[in-house]
Amino acid sequence: DAGVIQSPRHEVTEMGQEVTLRCKPISGHDYLFWYRQTMMRGLELLIYFNNNVPIDDSGMPEDRFSAKMPNASFSTLKIQPSEPRDSAVYFCASSYVGGGTEAFFGQGTRLTVV
Amino acid sequence: TQLLEQSPQFLSIQEGENLTVYCNSSSVFSSLQWYRQEPGEGPVLLVTVVTGGEVKKLKRLTFQFGDARKDSSLHITAAQPGDTGLYLCAGARGTGNQFYFGTGTSLTVIP
Repeated sequence: DAGVIQSPRHEVTEMGQEVTLRCKPISGHDYLFWYRQTMMRGLELLIYFNNNVPIDDSGMPEDRFSAKMPNASFSTLKIQPSEPRDSAVYFCASSYVGGGTEAFFGQGTRLTVV
Repeated sequence: TQLLEQSPQFLSIQEGENLTVYCNSSSVFSSLQWYRQEPGEGPVLLVTVVTGGEVKKLKRLTFQFGDARKDSSLHITAAQPGDTGLYLCAGARGTGNQFYFGTGTSLTVIP
C-alpha cells in the first residue's frame, strides 16, 4: 500500500488566496484526521471523519477553514481566505477500527502564506 | 491549551547515554501512544499502552503508562544517532479513535 498520500507537498500562496489541500487515505481505513503542526502549538487536531461523516470539527480555528470527504478515498481541507498565521505543516492521517487505534500519517503539506 | 505536556522540550545527548522523556496531564486517558517524527515526515507509531501501570519494551526503548493513566514516560537506553527525532505522546479519551498530541520532545543524539 502506498500509505496516506497528501498533495501538494509544498504550497506558497499570497494572503487572501484560497488554498486547497488534498488527502487520499489508506484503502479500507474508516477514520480520517486533519492535523496542523507549528512550532508554537505543536500538533493540533482540526477535524476528523468516520465513514466520510465529520464527527468533530471543534479544532477548526475559524470559518475560513472547511473540510470535506466526498468519498472514502478522498478528502480536502480548504482555507479561504488564507492569512499568514495559517502557515504551518498540515497532516492528514487515517486509521481503522479493526486495526486498533494506530494512525498512519501522510508526509504533510507545508503551507506558507505570504 | 495543551492536554498533554512533555518534558524536556529539547534534549541533546551523546551516543551511548540514557534518557527519559515525560508526558504529563491532569486528565485521564483510555490509552496513550508514543510516536516518533523525522524531519519532513509524518509521525510514526512506536507503541500503544492501555492499562494503568503497563510497561512495554521495544528493543532499547521502554514505555510506561502511569497507574492513574494520566502520565507516561519513555526511556531510551544507550541512545544512538538513529534515535534522533521528535517524540510525541498522544492520549485518547473515551472509546473513539481521536487522539490529542503532546507538545513534543526534540531529541538529538550526537555521535
